[in-house]
Amino acid sequence: AQSVTQLGSHVSVSEGALVLLRCNYSSSVPPYLFWYVQYPNQGLQLLLKYTTGATLVKGINGFEAEFKKSETSFHLTKPSAHMSDAAEYFCAHNDYKLSFGAGTTVTVRA
Amino acid sequence: GAGVSQSPSNKVTEKGKDVELRCDPISGHTALYWYRQRLGQGLEFLIYFQGNSAPDKSGLPSDRFSAERTGESVSTLTIQRTQQEDSAVYLCASSLSVESYNEQFFGPGTRLTVL
Repeated sequence: AQSVTQLGSHVSVSEGALVLLRCNYSSSVPPYLFWYVQYPNQGLQLLLKYTTGATLVKGINGFEAEFKKSETSFHLTKPSAHMSDAAEYFCAHNDYKLSFGAGTTVTVRA
Repeated sequence: GAGVSQSPSNKVTEKGKDVELRCDPISGHTALYWYRQRLGQGLEFLIYFQGNSAPDKSGLPSDRFSAERTGESVSTLTIQRTQQEDSAVYLCASSLSVESYNEQFFGPGTRLTVL
């Protein structure tokens, strides 16, 4: 069965530093992969998705992710963290329904 | 345009009572999904509807859970004889269709507390 694994339940970064959130998937076929963000007491918002085509995907708020089939990874990055990036981030695979990773909580230090 | 809306935003109930949670999807979206987010348990798929096709109920945790959808509009998730382990945020989402490349748009959720 398809699953995604997020490494690290909590990440703390300084404002202006690189944000790197790790996601690995298990599948024998190219998956449809998504990154969602959840701000406190809100629903989920799509950051970006990979379906087919270009493996480097750019999303909203300066985030991007690279699909690497050889590493079965879809890590999320942002070059420079902002205080407003503090939230919980979920990697997910879509096979007609979303299967989510456990989530990574990001805190940003001033 | 209007996004996915859910009501109520918060619901407190006593163990053993029945509850109904409502979801209004984005107009024109044929697919509608319910997920559950329990503290420390992550996000779990419950059920999805696609047009007039039979719903995929594979994620419903027990027969106390049921859901209905009227055409391609509102959906109601019903939990009968609520238990404390049902306490969670219930999220509804909709998409243009159930195809896996489509974005699912989420509502703000209903926070259910079972005392």
